[in-house]
Amino acid sequence: GAVVSQHPSRVICKSGTSVKIECRSLDFQATTMFWYRQFPKKSLMLMATSNEGSKATYEQGVEKDKFLINHASLTLSTLTVTSAHPEDSSFYICSARRAGGFESEQFFGPGTRLTVL
Amino acid sequence: AQTVTQSQPEMSVQEAETVTLSCTYDTSESDYYLFWYKQPPSRQMILVIRQEAYKQQNATENRFSVNFQKAAKSFSLKISDSQLGDAAMYFCAFGAGNTGKLIFGQGTTLQVKP
Repeated sequence: GAVVSQHPSRVICKSGTSVKIECRSLDFQATTMFWYRQFPKKSLMLMATSNEGSKATYEQGVEKDKFLINHASLTLSTLTVTSAHPEDSSFYICSARRAGGFESEQFFGPGTRLTVL
Repeated sequence: AQTVTQSQPEMSVQEAETVTLSCTYDTSESDYYLFWYKQPPSRQMILVIRQEAYKQQNATENRFSVNFQKAAKSFSLKISDSQLGDAAMYFCAFGAGNTGKLIFGQGTTLQVKP
């Protein structure tokens, strides 16, 4: 149990376009989902926390108008990178916290590699 | 603010040997949780082991065990009988409060030599 999927696994887009990444909890309800960004051989940097039905909470330095997060249901959160530029190229990982689950434990998706040309 | 520090960017171990990865953290919280995650080349984050701060007993999961020293704010991971499949990047993480947020260390890349 506790499987999280992400789609797509990799995406290449042109500069100036928008890209949407989906994060789904497949076999549990996720009260909270998290979005991270990871550069090669670096740690995970938390971008934002999203709770179902409410606005996402962004970490300091993360542009909320550029990285739009929607948490429409207890099993789906989406991250939209708007007007993407080459510097947005990165590995994006989502995770989900299970309702009633172990405090602070997160289940991670397999990640999405975004390349902006 | 909480911080997590992994001071070993890279470690190597011979297959079947034992290796210890270090992690220290800083917090003023009294109730918190600590985790070790493994990230293999596939980049899928996998939970290795977790420890509740209120438990004095060190957590163990098969070949993986921790040395949790609460007063010293230290949380090291010991991997016994290392296997080639253990090669990965390992992250120490700290969680506290009702937000569920995790703070990750910088990571340690573990190489296992045959």
